[in-house]
Amino acid sequence: QKEVEQNSGPLSVPEGAIASLNCTYSDRGSQSFFWYRQYSGKSPELIMSIYSNGDKEDGRFTAQLNKASQYVSLLIRDSQPSDSATYLCAVILMEYGNKLVFGAGTILRVKS
Amino acid sequence: DAGVIQSPRHEVTEMGQEVTLRCKPISGHDYLFWYRQTMMRGLELLIYFNNNVPIDDSGMPEDRFSAKMPNASFSTLKIQPSEPRDSAVYFCASRGGLDWGNEQFFGPGTRLTVL
Repeated sequence: QKEVEQNSGPLSVPEGAIASLNCTYSDRGSQSFFWYRQYSGKSPELIMSIYSNGDKEDGRFTAQLNKASQYVSLLIRDSQPSDSATYLCAVILMEYGNKLVFGAGTILRVKS
Repeated sequence: DAGVIQSPRHEVTEMGQEVTLRCKPISGHDYLFWYRQTMMRGLELLIYFNNNVPIDDSGMPEDRFSAKMPNASFSTLKIQPSEPRDSAVYFCASRGGLDWGNEQFFGPGTRLTVL
């Protein structure tokens, strides 16, 4: 299993729908989890961080964490065409010296 | 705050030439990271510094790559000699200490093309 795993997509959703992006990680001891958005030709931009089990909401974004299942997800409500980007899941892996390890990213396409 | 600053934004060079990429972290951040991003390998951590000291350079691909951080506001990544397979986007990122949380912020990147 890769350290941080995401479906590469593309995930296509219609405008106004909920987009659900998923990520699994290998290190059961991990405590810090992040979602970055990367537009084509741009740098990764931090959009959410989550440290505790449960949900964390910020505007249209909700991050969900389940440490027992080693699973973190990002929900985007009322998806807009401007949300079309690659979403990178990142986890600080204790087994790798507390380094931030990125998944390969999921391409999201929101169709108007 | 201006965010993480990188230069140049684009670099085109010929195989065998020396390339130097530059980074200025966010003021007050004491962690600095260098990443490389390619389609094939995604985002890879090359090296990171804490308080100007290199902590982990296990991601540096080979001896042709070197990185320095002479002070808290400046770092360089050097490739000598460069090869076509080094073509990628190189990102610098910074992060504060524990009081700042674990959030890491990226610069705009340097797109390197080695011909």
